[in-house]
Amino acid sequence: DAGVIQSPRHEVTEMGQEVTLRCKPISGHNSLFWYRQTMMRGLELLIYFNNNVPIDDSGMPEDRFSAKMPNASFSTLKIQPSEPRDSAVYFCASRQGDYTGELFFGEGSRLTVL
Amino acid sequence: GESVGLHLPTLSVQEGDNSIINCAYSNSASDYFIWYKQESGKGPQFIIDIRSNMDKRQGQRVTVLLNKTVKHLSLQIAATQPGDSAVYFCAEKGAAGNKLTFGGGTRVLVKP
Repeated sequence: DAGVIQSPRHEVTEMGQEVTLRCKPISGHNSLFWYRQTMMRGLELLIYFNNNVPIDDSGMPEDRFSAKMPNASFSTLKIQPSEPRDSAVYFCASRQGDYTGELFFGEGSRLTVL
Repeated sequence: GESVGLHLPTLSVQEGDNSIINCAYSNSASDYFIWYKQESGKGPQFIIDIRSNMDKRQGQRVTVLLNKTVKHLSLQIAATQPGDSAVYFCAEKGAAGNKLTFGGGTRVLVKP
């Protein structure tokens, strides 16, 4: 299996622009998670989906952030408009099963907002 | 992946020695714990997990110990190797829901 696939790996954009990050979970995994990692705050859970349904989005910073999972093999995290403080590495992770078991992470998308 | 940087606690270990990484968790209702390893430029990678009904679990060269009384988790790495140099995170899951909360991380540097 190719693992969790994220794109783009790196993105540099200007403040105010829309950013869309993409994730393809491992086939057969029914839970998908979006995390953000920064030097100041470490790894933070933004949102997670179970069977394509958003379960907990309490970690989404504000209305500028939105996430979708239109099908079992694809999810997006969108930031509009982007701000410099959104600069971080965004990780997508997936897992088979609902509550426990190994969470497989992608390689991350490094976002820089100027 | 970008590791949490400037203020990470750091453990320097001589190659071949054993490493012990500690983690204090916050939620006494957490029922599942995981250790992850993150190398520079990569995503976190699963090492070992333990449920709250256990106090010890062993893997290949790694052992996780859980002390629920003081809400403490540790990861022991036997015969530390240069490839073990990374940032290590503990994570806990509350009894309700699917949410995994990560600790701040510990950087391990293995000296040859």
